[in-house]
Amino acid sequence: QSALTQPASVSGSPGQSITISCTGTSSDVGGYNSVSWYQQHPGTAPKLMIYEVSNRPSGVSNRFSGSKSGNTASLTISGLQAEDEADYFCISHRNDRRPYAFGTGTKVTVL
Amino acid sequence: QIQLQQSGPGLVKPSQTLSLTCAISGDSVSSTSAAWSWIRQSPSRGLEWLGRTYYRSKWYNDYAVSVESRITVNPDTSKNQFSLQLNSVTPEDTAVYYCARDPGQCLSCFDLWGRGTLVTVSS
Repeated sequence: QSALTQPASVSGSPGQSITISCTGTSSDVGGYNSVSWYQQHPGTAPKLMIYEVSNRPSGVSNRFSGSKSGNTASLTISGLQAEDEADYFCISHRNDRRPYAFGTGTKVTVL
Repeated sequence: QIQLQQSGPGLVKPSQTLSLTCAISGDSVSSTSAAWSWIRQSPSRGLEWLGRTYYRSKWYNDYAVSVESRITVNPDTSKNQFSLQLNSVTPEDTAVYYCARDPGQCLSCFDLWGRGTLVTVSS
């Protein structure tokens, strides 16, 4: 099954805002309000940053926000900080028996 | 504190079976809301969901199409853990393997991850 498409890399200067896209189909991203976003620093486990398109877990900075339009979901990081430099990936619900569709991942660089 | 503790060998020979265990603290493998998954990550394949186990009056398992002929995910209620067995491994199965919890309160998300185990398939 196909992965969700993300840009390989996105960069920005400290204080700027960046947006990462996650494009799927009507069978996954477009069909459910289920997209979640994860941050992964090298050598560590992923951390949940956004769930169900736009909800932030307790403890996650409000500089992280999510949205969705059609088959594309987006993660926006505002007020970019050096600590935001990491890999980010998305996950969407796909179906009941094989429920998880993963994004290809995006490397965020803080210039 | 809720956490997942992974264990298992880091080196497996081709054609043999990869076996990993994920011990759960602060939750129950028999939770009627959560589901317990294995996920792997490699430079060539990215992140790949492998399979899960969960309890809803009885035990259920779901597996990715890519590995369904050779994977087993089993709960162990006596030890509050779950395991991964992947048979007939090849070098393409070399990856970092994670266990993770889908809490059930969000649709298809993972709020808790193990630290990851690098498994190398090599003779």
